[in-house]
Parts: sequence; structure tokens; C-alpha cells
Amino acid sequence: QQPVQSPQAVILREGEDAVINCSSSKALYSVHWYRQKHGEAPVFLMILLKGGEQKGHEKISASFNEKKQQSSLYLTASQLSYSGTYFCGQGVNSNTGNQFYFGTGTSLTVIP
Amino acid sequence: DVKVTQSSRYLVKRTGEKVFLECVQDMDHENMFWYRQDPGLGLRLIYFSYDVKMKEKGDIPEGYSVSREKKERFSLILESASTNQTSMYLCASPSGTEAFFGQGTRLTVV
Repeated sequence: QQPVQSPQAVILREGEDAVINCSSSKALYSVHWYRQKHGEAPVFLMILLKGGEQKGHEKISASFNEKKQQSSLYLTASQLSYSGTYFCGQGVNSNTGNQFYFGTGTSLTVIP
Repeated sequence: DVKVTQSSRYLVKRTGEKVFLECVQDMDHENMFWYRQDPGLGLRLIYFSYDVKMKEKGDIPEGYSVSREKKERFSLILESASTNQTSMYLCASPSGTEAFFGQGTRLTVV
């Protein structure tokens, strides 16, 4: 049930853009995005609750295509501080509550 | 300040030992989750709990069990530790819109 992310790793120069994709085999009711710095806990970036919804956070934004069961994270004009591992998290509704499944992760490295 | 606390940052255990990983949250959340994190595999769900004494298996429950006797505490138990359980273990407690993570426990089984 784990969402699949692509690419697995990406290296960018400062100022370049990147897109991280996340796809699921399950019907979704929400998509979350997190960033994890080395040695630290994942930190919440944003949540998308509606199909087609796009949200923005500084130069990081995301979209959610409910029909395709996909989400994409867009990082524009990347900064050194964007380096880390990005995870999508997907909420799956069940009769035992909301389950959270996290993706395979994308390692992003921004170099000067 | 919301907090999820894991009892140990680093643990080294011997093969065959019974291992307890503890997680405590102070947000009065009903749901709590245990994941293991391995390079290239992301965060994989081991077990979760949606209420006291209630638990559900995630994707990789084999070799693990859990205990939730109180709402704030969720324990992960390795019944007989094996070297393939060497990993980073993360506890999370979600609200309706966001998951809060502990700092992780790096477990090494030798």
C-alpha cells in the first residue's frame, strides 16, 4: 500500500527547479508532503485535501490529482536549505480510522 | 508545543533479545503509528493504533508486536531481535491534517 515516489534521487544547482511525483494504488482522501533533514524527524510541509487542489508554501507548491491518485511537489528556484529527503504521505480512510502511508522517499541535494 | 517523544535515540541489542521501543505523545491524539525507515524504501508502516488497546497491522508487521495500554503511549516490541531489524524506527501521531514525528530510534542488532 506504500505510495511510490519518483525520482528516487535528484541533484540540483541553486536556482534550478525540481518536480517530485507520488502515486498510489489506493483511493485517497488527502496527500501530505514532508521534508526530512539528515538525522532529524520529518517535518510537515503541506496537505492537500481536495482533488485538483494546488497549494503553495514559499517557493514550494503541490498539486493533487484525485482521479489519477497522484500528487506532485514543485520546488522552484531551489535553495541550499531545500536539501533533504521528501516524503509524500497519503491518508486512507477505513473503518478503523485514518491510516497514513508514506512514500519511498526522494533524496534532493542542492549544490552551490 | 506539540511533542512526540521516543525513549531512545540509539540502541544496540543482541540477536534474540526482546526489545522495547517506547513512544509518548502529549497531544491527546487517538491515532499513533510505528514506521521503519530504510534507505531506498522510505517509511514503511509496521503497526498503528486508533485507540487504547486497539491495534492494526501495517505493511510489515512480521517480527513485531505493539502495546497501547494508555492513550499517550504506544510501544513497539521486537519479540526476538534479528539483524534484519537493524533500522531507524519512527513513531508518529497524526492530527486530522498533519503527522507529528518523534526524533527516531536508531536500532542496531548485532
